[in-house]
Parts: sequence; structure tokens; C-alpha cells
Amino acid sequence: DIVMTQSPDSLAVSLGERTTINCKSSQRVLYSSNNKNYLAWYQQKAGQPPKLLIYWASTRESGVPDRFSGSGSGTDFTLTISSLQAEDVAVYYCQQYYSTPLTFGGGTKVEIK
Amino acid sequence: QITLKESGPTLVKPTQTLTLTCTFSGFSLSTSGMGVGWIRQPPGKALEWLALIYWDDDKRYSPSLKSRLTITKDTSKNQVVLTMTNIDPVDTATYYCTHRGIRVLYSSSWDGPFDYWGQGILVTVSS
Repeated sequence: DIVMTQSPDSLAVSLGERTTINCKSSQRVLYSSNNKNYLAWYQQKAGQPPKLLIYWASTRESGVPDRFSGSGSGTDFTLTISSLQAEDVAVYYCQQYYSTPLTFGGGTKVEIK
Repeated sequence: QITLKESGPTLVKPTQTLTLTCTFSGFSLSTSGMGVGWIRQPPGKALEWLALIYWDDDKRYSPSLKSRLTITKDTSKNQVVLTMTNIDPVDTATYYCTHRGIRVLYSSSWDGPFDYWGQGILVTVSS
């Protein structure tokens, strides 16, 4: 199984500040046939289902604000929120969809300082 | 517009069998590349993938739960059913039904992430 490890577990950031969340996979999730990393980021607000933000490690899903960006390759990935807004308070999860069992990170809770 | 909705019992007794139904619209599970998955989330905890069924009836299961899970589809009804046997209080969770679609790149289709989710159903296991 590919183990996904996120850090930090939680963070408090001031409005307008930059937020960075890290995700590390225990194996590479790069698919050689299309040179894409099969890594997704989801946002889950309280009482709601997760929402897809980023796929292929860095491709923003349609409708997702451009303050959200993903980067990384191989086994190390990052989700960045360039300027934190009040509506970004949520738990963020990374997930590898390279191989089954599909696995998620433990989540990172983002709060306003 | 793709939508999914979970239905089933919200209270189950230990040792019983849990049957959850996902009813979806906006896509067909007979279309090449489509998949429907189940993911659960215990209260206050992280997401856990359970099972996935593809358009061609290929089925995948979480190894840790494989002996207890069965996933099936009824394409004519636009439904996917997940059965979990020998339920235990640790199975208390919100169960989500999800759509796994495809992404097009270089004129080819590739497996995508879980791009649409149902609202979830909270299942409590208690005697």
C-alpha cells in the first residue's frame, strides 16, 4: 500500500497570508505513460463532503480559485493557498490515485489566526 | 450535471450486514472509463477508501476490508450497492459515494480522481 503522510496536522494562518501544506507518499505516484503524478488534493469544510481542488498534482479543477495551487513530483507534494480567505477554513486531504488501494493522507486542518 | 446520493439504514446492530445504495445521475456506468467508489469517514477522523466498481464490472476493494465487502452495480437503475458484513461499532462513520471519472490528455483518456461526491450518510453501529 502507498502510505500518504501530511504535515502539519493543523495550522493557524492570518487572513491574506500564504499557507503551505505538505504531503509525502511512500512510493512514487508518477505514471510513466503520461508523465503525470496521480496525486489529488481535496478540501472538506465542516459538515460537507470533500471537494476536489487539484488533480495530477498541479492541475486546478474547474471553478477552483487560482489562489490554490499544487506542486511537487515523485513522492513530495505541496498545496499552497497564496492568500488565505475566511472561506478557506477547512481540512485538506491529499490522495494518491495511482494504484489501489487508493489512499488518503491524515488531513491538515487550516484555521484563521 | 453529476449527482450522487447515498441511502440506507442509519442505525445498525453489531454483527448485522449493512447495505448502502448509491443512486446517481448525470453519467452512465456503462460508459468507458467511468467508476463509482465508496469512501468512509469516522467522526472526526480521516477519509478511508473502501471499494470501487468500474464500467466494465472490474471491482477493487480495500485489502483490510475485502473479506467483508461486496460492491455491485445496476446500470439500468443508475445504482451501485455496497454490502458490508459483520458490522462492528468501529464501522460507525459517514459513508460517501463518489464518481471516478476520466481526464483527457494527449488525446487519450486516463483514470481521474474522485471528482463528485454524495452528501454522505452517517451510519451508527450500536446495540
